[in-house]
Amino acid sequence: EVQLLESGGGLVQPGGSLRLSCAASGFTFSSYAMSWVRQAPGKGLEWVSAISGSGGSTYYADSVKGRFTISRDNSKNTLYLQMNSLRAEDTAVYYCARTGGYCSSTSCPPSDYWGQGTLVTVSS
Amino acid sequence: AIWMTQSPSLLSASTGDRVTISCRMSQGISSYLAWYQQKPGKAPELLIYAASTLQSGVPSRFSGSGSGTDFTLTISCLQSEDFATYYCQQYYRFPLTFGGGTKVEIK
Repeated sequence: EVQLLESGGGLVQPGGSLRLSCAASGFTFSSYAMSWVRQAPGKGLEWVSAISGSGGSTYYADSVKGRFTISRDNSKNTLYLQMNSLRAEDTAVYYCARTGGYCSSTSCPPSDYWGQGTLVTVSS
Repeated sequence: AIWMTQSPSLLSASTGDRVTISCRMSQGISSYLAWYQQKPGKAPELLIYAASTLQSGVPSRFSGSGSGTDFTLTISCLQSEDFATYYCQQYYRFPLTFGGGTKVEIK
């Protein structure tokens, strides 16, 4: 059974940093690209970032480029999102999601499995 | 970025109804469109990809159609468990983008 378990969310001040983790199990982690998708309270879904199965290619939304870094440790079956220079508008539930396969240089397949999400609140 | 207009934003319906949700793209995306269902407090679930291919385990009352710029999600006979919010997503090109969502509520 595919399982994705996020952790690391919490309350952080504007300008601060936070690192999210996503522990994966039930599938060959290194064979799948992975994504982070967020959802602000009461709002819709926003794609944040994706990473290839090897970790060699990364992709970002313009809203987080230069502030967030996606990475993975395939030996630990874990996905990460390092978030720096956080802003109030980054407040959201962050979901880890498995893509349906490989990403190309232009896109990634839709996400077929999602974690339960972890809440990040940016406030003073 | 590719912008998506999803309509309606709110749909009131009764069990047994046939409902249709529309998603229009700012530019053509071939069939690189997915539909998700999200229930309150839960993660989204993939329903349809490639515009019309049903994800494994999804009931056949769900169907998708369209290509290019105009897409439709249809629920043929609404069940109680289908009251939720539905999102379209284009995966033609980065940045991946979602529609604003359609909440299907009980009339």
